[in-house]
Amino acid sequence: GDSVTQMEGPVTLSEEAFLTINCTYTATGYPSLFWYVQYPGEGLQLLLKATKADDKGSNKGFEATYRKETTSFHLEKGSVQVSDSAVYFCALTNPTGNTPLVFGKGTRLSVIA
Amino acid sequence: ETGVTQTPRHLVMGMTNKKSLKCEQHLGHNAMYWYKQSAKKPLELMFVYSLEERVENNSVPSRFSPECPNSSHLFLHLHTLQPEDSALYLCASSPDNYRGADEKLFFGSGTQLSVL
Repeated sequence: GDSVTQMEGPVTLSEEAFLTINCTYTATGYPSLFWYVQYPGEGLQLLLKATKADDKGSNKGFEATYRKETTSFHLEKGSVQVSDSAVYFCALTNPTGNTPLVFGKGTRLSVIA
Repeated sequence: ETGVTQTPRHLVMGMTNKKSLKCEQHLGHNAMYWYKQSAKKPLELMFVYSLEERVENNSVPSRFSPECPNSSHLFLHLHTLQPEDSALYLCASSPDNYRGADEKLFFGSGTQLSVL
């Protein structure tokens, strides 16, 4: 079945460092890809999405590009802030299979001043 | 504030207790979901309701019993739980069920459950 694999955390960075959180997926057809973020004490929120190959999703300085050739959707940010400390979830949904969102395990990011 | 409210925020219960988790959404959405979030594991979809009908039950043990009395409310009734059921239980809603590319879930803050 469809699945998502993300890099293990936790990831600890200093403020203004460059962030990459890797995500790869396994799916039939042409899934849509998402990044959700969970801030401390809160539920998940949609951060960005991409629905077809080579699309780039972006929001709040975060970006991710849908790479079909490498089945990847890595999350990047050029300069992280303390307020970016959260758990980040990669997810996919597959219109072909009419399935709900499939999530990865989540990657915890801690940004220190 | 996402528009999805869960109560209680924290719950401690013994294995013989009966308790209920409550979720409420005021977004006018037609679909509601229960997810289980455990450390170092993917988010697990437990139940999906669409227009108050259960459309998915992902092999969840019968000690978890969902109820959706109307499109704004969702409950998860708990009885004779095990310590391994300790987790964060998240409720979510979406405008419609299984919209594929348009799917966007709105999550509540969750109930942190500890089973002793």
